Amino acid sequence: AQRVTQPEKLLSVFKGAPVELKCNYSYSGSPELFWYVQYSRQRLQLLLRHISRESIKGFTADLNKGETSFHLKKPFAQEEDSAMYYCALLDGSGNTGKLIFGQGTTLQVKP
Amino acid sequence: DAGITQSPRHKVTETGTPVTLRCHQTENHRYMYWYRQDPGHGLRLIHYSYGVKDTDKGEVSDGYSVSRSKTEDFLLTLESATSSQTSVYFCAIRPGQREKLFFGSGTQLSVL
Repeated sequence: AQRVTQPEKLLSVFKGAPVELKCNYSYSGSPELFWYVQYSRQRLQLLLRHISRESIKGFTADLNKGETSFHLKKPFAQEEDSAMYYCALLDGSGNTGKLIFGQGTTLQVKP
Repeated sequence: DAGITQSPRHKVTETGTPVTLRCHQTENHRYMYWYRQDPGHGLRLIHYSYGVKDTDKGEVSDGYSVSRSKTEDFLLTLESATSSQTSVYFCAIRPGQREKLFFGSGTQLSVL
């Protein structure tokens, strides 16, 4: 079964500390993975996707097929990074474009 | 805002009543989705549409129905609302199956 797991509900760090939000997936084929972010009182929006290999707002994520992981990292957290983060997997069955989301991790960056 | 609006923004209703949520887009995108957001569950897909009159069920479709008679509107109906359907509902659109999703602002629904 296709599944996305984010093991941490809440991650609390101090400003300037490194951040790693964990994401593991279960998928039999070649996965397409995304990170979406929801800032307070804003809409959910795409942060990054693995196929583009971009670095957005200092965040990066590397797909590790051996460990079936797609962890989100940032070397120095900022207070404005505080938000809810969702890892998502593109459902490869059919041509529906459905995304399967993880449970979400709240990142709290303390001053 | 990617031309997507949801209405109403907030709704309080009683158990057993029907409720309809509306998602409207001005982008002419083919794909539209309804998700619900619950603590500990993240976002779960209720129903989706890949064209006018083309809809299908997601993972949590029981108790919900949808309709898409026009490209721009995707309606979600709770046939007989229950307290377990208290949630935040998000509509999302995308132009192609591998393009990024654009989300609406959400509808906070409380079923008392």
